[in-house]
Amino acid sequence: QQQVKQSPQSLIVQKGGISIINCAYENTAFDYFPWYQQFPGKGPALLIAIRPDVSEKKEGRFTISFNKSAKQFSLHIMDSQPGDSATYFCAASRYTGNQFYFGTGTSLTVIP
Amino acid sequence: KAGVTQTPRYLIKTRGQQVTLSCSPISGHRSVSWYQQTPGQGLQFLFEYFSETQRNKGNFPGRFSGRQFSNSRSEMNVSTLELGDSALYLCASSLGERYNSPLHFGNGTRLTVT
Repeated sequence: QQQVKQSPQSLIVQKGGISIINCAYENTAFDYFPWYQQFPGKGPALLIAIRPDVSEKKEGRFTISFNKSAKQFSLHIMDSQPGDSATYFCAASRYTGNQFYFGTGTSLTVIP
Repeated sequence: KAGVTQTPRYLIKTRGQQVTLSCSPISGHRSVSWYQQTPGQGLQFLFEYFSETQRNKGNFPGRFSGRQFSNSRSEMNVSTLELGDSALYLCASSLGERYNSPLHFGNGTRLTVT
């Protein structure tokens, strides 16, 4: 059973546009929600992360929005660039463990 | 600081064989986790080691095992390989002193079982 559900599976955005990727979870014990970016041939790299005590976190062009009551969180990439073309994974973990549950990934393509 | 190093990068094995994958974590990181990545399932947690002890284990059969050495380096072993074991195996290290430490991934070992 997928503990973290991610959508869409793929996304095509024009350069300069906003890319939005959504994730949902069921386990209310999750309390740490990172996003990872993966380029072909490379391992995932931590992009940005949030804890449920805040509703939004911004780092440069990347923003996480978190809705605790709906058990949803999303990644917004502002001013998307061709260099952002990669696969993005959301994840979640519980404070009592270092085991991360990943979404199935979103392949983002930013066209010039 | 050097990143997480995984060896080998590619492996081709035959059904029924066994395989050992190696991972060297970032210096100072005491936690090493292993994940299986496949196109349909994404990243699935295999196990985590901290200070040579398995701290967490995912829902994989006993054919998948691992260990961690005193220098934090880790190995993962898969016995009696099946076609479905073909995947990218990722190792990730973290400081591990407290939970929810950010994971730093290696570039993975691509295992193909024929």
